[in-house]
Amino acid sequence: QVQLQESGPGLVKPSETLSLTCTVSGDSMRSYYWSWIRQSPTKGLEWIGYVYYSGSTSYNPSLKSRVSMSIDMTKNQFSLRLNSVTAADTAVYYCARGSIVAAGRRIDHWGQGTPVTVS
Amino acid sequence: DIQMTQFPSSLSASVGDRVTVTCRASQTVTTFLNWYQHKPGRAPKLLIYAASSLQSGVPSRFSGAGSGTDFTLTINSLQPEDFATYYCQQSYSNSWTFGQGTRVEI
Repeated sequence: QVQLQESGPGLVKPSETLSLTCTVSGDSMRSYYWSWIRQSPTKGLEWIGYVYYSGSTSYNPSLKSRVSMSIDMTKNQFSLRLNSVTAADTAVYYCARGSIVAAGRRIDHWGQGTPVTVS
Repeated sequence: DIQMTQFPSSLSASVGDRVTVTCRASQTVTTFLNWYQHKPGRAPKLLIYAASSLQSGVPSRFSGAGSGTDFTLTINSLQPEDFATYYCQQSYSNSWTFGQGTRVEI
């Protein structure tokens, strides 16, 4: 059974860079979309972006200027960097796996989430 | 950007009720539409993928329907463990988006 685990600082200062890593176990990273999603205290789920196993990326247009994602299949890890953070970036950050199915793409496995506070 | 709009934003229901949540896309997403259940302090859980396919292990009281721009999630005979927030999500475009959520309360 695939498992995902987020790691990284729980506290980031304003204007600095938020960096998180997700470690994947139990399955290959090949052929999947490796995603980051967040939920701020007063909002719903917000898709941040994904890095495909090939290394190609897609980001939320509202965050695109500040986001970068990368993947290291030799370490079974993928990463998120969000720069110039503000209090509005305070949220629980989830890493997740997206898979291709007939007539769709789904997010079928999630990490437990890691809270990040900008202060 | 494809915008996803859910309604209602919240609803009150009782155990045993049938509940329907609606999701509308700002443009067609064909069947690239998923539904998730989210409880506080837990990771979201995939319920329905490709608009109407039940994820493995999810009770059959959950069902999804629709294609194009209009979709529904139905919960037949609501159970105590079903009180949660439900999100639709499109993966048709390369920029995925979630609806704003529907909170199902007792």
